[in-house]
Amino acid sequence: AQKITQTQPGMFVQEKEAVTLDCTYDTSDPSYGLFWYKQPSSGEMIFLIYQGSYDQQNATEGRYSLNFQKARKSANLVISASQLGDSAMYFCAMREGGTGNQFYFGTGTSLTVIP
Amino acid sequence: GAGVSQSPRYKVAKRGQDVALRCDPISGHVSLFWYQQALGQGPEFLTYFQNEAQLDKSGLPSDRFFAERPEGSVSTLKIQRTQQEDSAVYLCASSLYAAPNTEAFFGQGTRLTVV
Repeated sequence: AQKITQTQPGMFVQEKEAVTLDCTYDTSDPSYGLFWYKQPSSGEMIFLIYQGSYDQQNATEGRYSLNFQKARKSANLVISASQLGDSAMYFCAMREGGTGNQFYFGTGTSLTVIP
Repeated sequence: GAGVSQSPRYKVAKRGQDVALRCDPISGHVSLFWYQQALGQGPEFLTYFQNEAQLDKSGLPSDRFFAERPEGSVSTLKIQRTQQEDSAVYLCASSLYAAPNTEAFFGQGTRLTVV
């Protein structure tokens, strides 16, 4: 089974609007971390936001927030007030507590912000 | 340096040639990861180091792939007898701790093209 599933290969959003990128995960480890990364066309992976499995509140970082629904095993990224510079690939990732030996990545969502 | 540094940024190798890819992680980071990213795909795990110990090499696709981190800082990924299917971007990442609540910081990657 896939550890991380991103079902939206491509998304479009109007500039200044909000957009939600979906992510579901699969683990039996009670301790894990969920991460979102942005990869612009230049190729570098940029860390955006983190959510811990024991965190009671949803994580927020500026215009990024993570809608964490533990029972549904989902960790959707919400980008508010989209900007043209937000156009990029977005990857959801998970690191488990048992070993922490790797980050499992999804297949990514390509976001295009339309002026 | 301030971030993870990888060299070379681009490498063209003739099929059958050996290549060595270098990663300079952020100073003091315990964990170091190597990932392979094919065009349009998410990063795929290759191997993981905790300090100088290679704790997980389950993602290395064949025995042609070898990685080391002898002093617990700089790491080298070596690919022997390169084949066309080895063409990809190789990403290195480091994180401060070996824990699920610690994000990884990525280098800009080495784009390997085997001709």
